[in-house]
Amino acid sequence: DAKTTQPNSMESNEEEPVHLPCNHSTISGTDYIHWYRQLPSQGPEYVIHGLTSNVNNRMASLAIAEDRKSSTLILHRATLRDAAVYYCILRVFVNAGGTSYGKLTFGQGTILTVHP
Amino acid sequence: DAGVTQSPTHLIKTRGQQVTLRCSPKSGHDTVSWYQQALGQGPQFIFQYYEEEERQRGNFPDRFSGHQFPNYSSELNVNALLLGDSALYLCASRSIHRGEALHFGNGTRLTVT
Repeated sequence: DAKTTQPNSMESNEEEPVHLPCNHSTISGTDYIHWYRQLPSQGPEYVIHGLTSNVNNRMASLAIAEDRKSSTLILHRATLRDAAVYYCILRVFVNAGGTSYGKLTFGQGTILTVHP
Repeated sequence: DAGVTQSPTHLIKTRGQQVTLRCSPKSGHDTVSWYQQALGQGPQFIFQYYEEEERQRGNFPDRFSGHQFPNYSSELNVNALLLGDSALYLCASRSIHRGEALHFGNGTRLTVT
């Protein structure tokens, strides 16, 4: 499985933008870049995903480098509720009988601390 | 619309015993995956079930087995428990045809003494 590299921790102030980087230099052409986050005492929560183009949703934006070897998750205005572990994951697809399956390979993630 | 539900939330077992954990997927989802999360680590993929069959498996021994029922719910069984099996066990579901995102439950905390 292609691996990702993230900083162990980052800090931000409330209401400021946060840029969470991820390196994935061995990404293959069919790997999607997924971001999940895990709040304390909860299961992981989907944030956003993309393949080549930048993506926006109500939670965040995903900026993907042109060579796809890195990406950045952008939280436009951090809140205290955004304090979590953020995981950057390459989604590996295994085709079986024409139906694609996927497992998520989690790394250590980035612990985001948001200061009031 | 209930999300992924897991039971029990906490469990204490003795080394050598067997345990069964249960998961009900989010409504409309048909595939279920199980993950093990040790303290301070990211979740590790155990296996995935679709159409009542194991479709993918991670690097876990045969002591870990599972089942998916016709209503898409799933069980994770662990035999001959070891102290190292103490972890948070997470269940995730998705629609194989409609959705990219996995929806996770809040997990079962298993402690082996």
